[in-house]
Amino acid sequence: NAGVTQTPKFQVLKTGQSMTLQCAQDMNHNSMYWYRQDPGMGLRLIYYSASEGTTDKGEVPNGYNVSRLNKREFSLRLESAAPSQTSVYFCASSEGGLSMNTEAFFGQGTRLTVV
Amino acid sequence: GQQVMQIPQYQHVQEGEDFTTYCNSSTTLSNIQWYKQRPGGHPVFLIQLVKSGEVKKQKRLTFQFGEAKKNSSLHITATQTTDVGTYFCAGRSGNNRKLIWGLGTSLAVNP
Repeated sequence: NAGVTQTPKFQVLKTGQSMTLQCAQDMNHNSMYWYRQDPGMGLRLIYYSASEGTTDKGEVPNGYNVSRLNKREFSLRLESAAPSQTSVYFCASSEGGLSMNTEAFFGQGTRLTVV
Repeated sequence: GQQVMQIPQYQHVQEGEDFTTYCNSSTTLSNIQWYKQRPGGHPVFLIQLVKSGEVKKQKRLTFQFGEAKKNSSLHITATQTTDVGTYFCAGRSGNNRKLIWGLGTSLAVNP
């Protein structure tokens, strides 16, 4: 039982390059999330998916796209990376939807640097 | 919009001293969760509080939810070096489907 698995763990991109961050959970959770964490800014929600087939914008969606490929997988795409997107990215999942009182399980994080 | 303020931002203690972090919301919360993130790690769920005035304990950690459900605290008794990390609160109000995170309190413990 791996929980939430993110790949890659580290990535360096040049400005303008694109990439997709992968996330998969094996807990049969309905909801999945993408957060970014920057020093002094805490965790900020980029996108979330309350259930398979649905996605919605979070607090900081600009410059990102997501795909809920199936119940297990939720990917985050940067179409044209910018230095401002240098951050640590966390994928998370929870059993219930956002309106339910369920804990979130986080992946190990992806440390992305855009130069 | 809804905000969750967390204080202090940093705390440096000697091993064995107590530590408290506070969360304050601008709106009434339906629940509040606490997470711990070790340096270089990912947030890990500690506990959830739902009821007004609720108090829960986990060994040396005591969590409280205020009577008005607008504030919460985490108290660690006799800190140990294993308590090092950043503690986050995250709350949800009745009108907001998203979890709103505090900025965290970073705890350093001198052995």
